[in-house]
Amino acid sequence: EAQVTQNPRYLITVTGKKLTVTCSQNMNHEYMSWYRQDPGLGLRQIYYSMNVEVTDKGDVPEGYKVSRKEKRNFPLILESPSPNQTSLYFCASSLAGNLGASNQPQHFGDGTRLSIL
Amino acid sequence: AQTVTQSQPEMSVQEAETVTLSCTYDTSESNYYLFWYKQPPSRQMILVIRQEAYKQQNATENRFSVNFQKAAKSFSLKISDSQLGDTAMYFCAFMKHDNNNDMRFGAGTRLTVKP
Repeated sequence: EAQVTQNPRYLITVTGKKLTVTCSQNMNHEYMSWYRQDPGLGLRQIYYSMNVEVTDKGDVPEGYKVSRKEKRNFPLILESPSPNQTSLYFCASSLAGNLGASNQPQHFGDGTRLSIL
Repeated sequence: AQTVTQSQPEMSVQEAETVTLSCTYDTSESNYYLFWYKQPPSRQMILVIRQEAYKQQNATENRFSVNFQKAAKSFSLKISDSQLGDTAMYFCAFMKHDNNNDMRFGAGTRLTVKP
């Protein structure tokens, strides 16, 4: 089954304790992306990656890191989490090229709810 | 920068009725894509419908259709014969044609279908 898998689904942690949210896709997609979803703001892009070893900042990259050492994995790293990073996070993937031309431009994971105390 | 505005934070509709969700966007681009995504309580993001700006014909997918008004920069979603399973958050999204990986989302509209 084609899917994007995020782990964990839920996490409560404390300020300053480094955490990693993993994202893996089994569709051989070149493009992967991380979003955060906040009430009243919709989804905002944090980072994206066009391919292995290629990553770029989205709209709200501050406080986050990513890596793309393998095509299937795109972990999101919070080196020193803060309460303002409490949010619902989505990983997404797609084939490279024209997202709009595909009938399913992006495949989303099920989301990870992070609470930073 | 492109912005997407959904002015209705919440809406409700009776089962079997028709409802329209509004979306406006701001861009100086002439060619782009517009999308409606559905996010049910399960939190999945599901593509509902897609529109290419250079196509004048409004996209339709079964009970879902759009009213795309390019000059007005408006992209509303009409759901006909509403079903209980349509209850979800609906997000409007914009993507430039020449920047295939920069998708901008609106704040969302929470739709409740009442029995």
